[in-house]
Amino acid sequence: NAGVTQTPKFQVLKTGQSMTLQCAQDMNHEYMSWYRQDPGMGLRLIHYSVGAGITDQGEVPNGYNVSRSTTEDFPLRLLSAAPSQTSVYFCASNRNFGDTEAFFGQGTRLTVV
Amino acid sequence: TQLLEQSPQFLSIQEGENLTVYCNSSSVFSSLQWYRQEPGEGPVLLVTVVTGGEVKKLKRLTFQFGDARKDSSLHITAAQPGDTGLYLCAGLSGYALNFGKGTSLLVTP
Repeated sequence: NAGVTQTPKFQVLKTGQSMTLQCAQDMNHEYMSWYRQDPGMGLRLIHYSVGAGITDQGEVPNGYNVSRSTTEDFPLRLLSAAPSQTSVYFCASNRNFGDTEAFFGQGTRLTVV
Repeated sequence: TQLLEQSPQFLSIQEGENLTVYCNSSSVFSSLQWYRQEPGEGPVLLVTVVTGGEVKKLKRLTFQFGDARKDSSLHITAAQPGDTGLYLCAGLSGYALNFGKGTSLLVTP
């Protein structure tokens, strides 16, 4: 019963590098989302998906891409990492849109130097 | 985006004390959620309040939804060190959950 699994747990990138943060859920949830958490800023929504093949932007989408080719996976891509993207990233899934119980992964702590 | 304001931002108390955390908005929400987040972990749902004026109890935690469904409070009775963590309120706004900035609670023995 894994729930939401994020990899890696920690990552250090150099400015300009690209990478993909992985997120997988085994609960057959339709709705998935990515948040970033910064001190004093709370959780801010980056992108979300209401189902396979459908994605949309959240509050802070710039510099990030997502895709949802399967129900289970929702990877987040950093196109060209910048120090401002240093943060803790959380992936979450909900049974469906409108279901307010979000299940979160353990997070990825990303540092961009 | 409907803003959720939480207060206080930080709270440090001793074991056995009572405390209240507030979550306020100028907008009406169909429901509000409270999550708790421990260091190095993702947030975990504690409760959802749906009806204006609703009160829900979870052991020593009491959650209240305002009559106008614009605010909520979390009251902890006889706090314990295990209550330490970040408490977040959230409400559905459009297609996403909108989170407050959180209240960081430290309970010392």
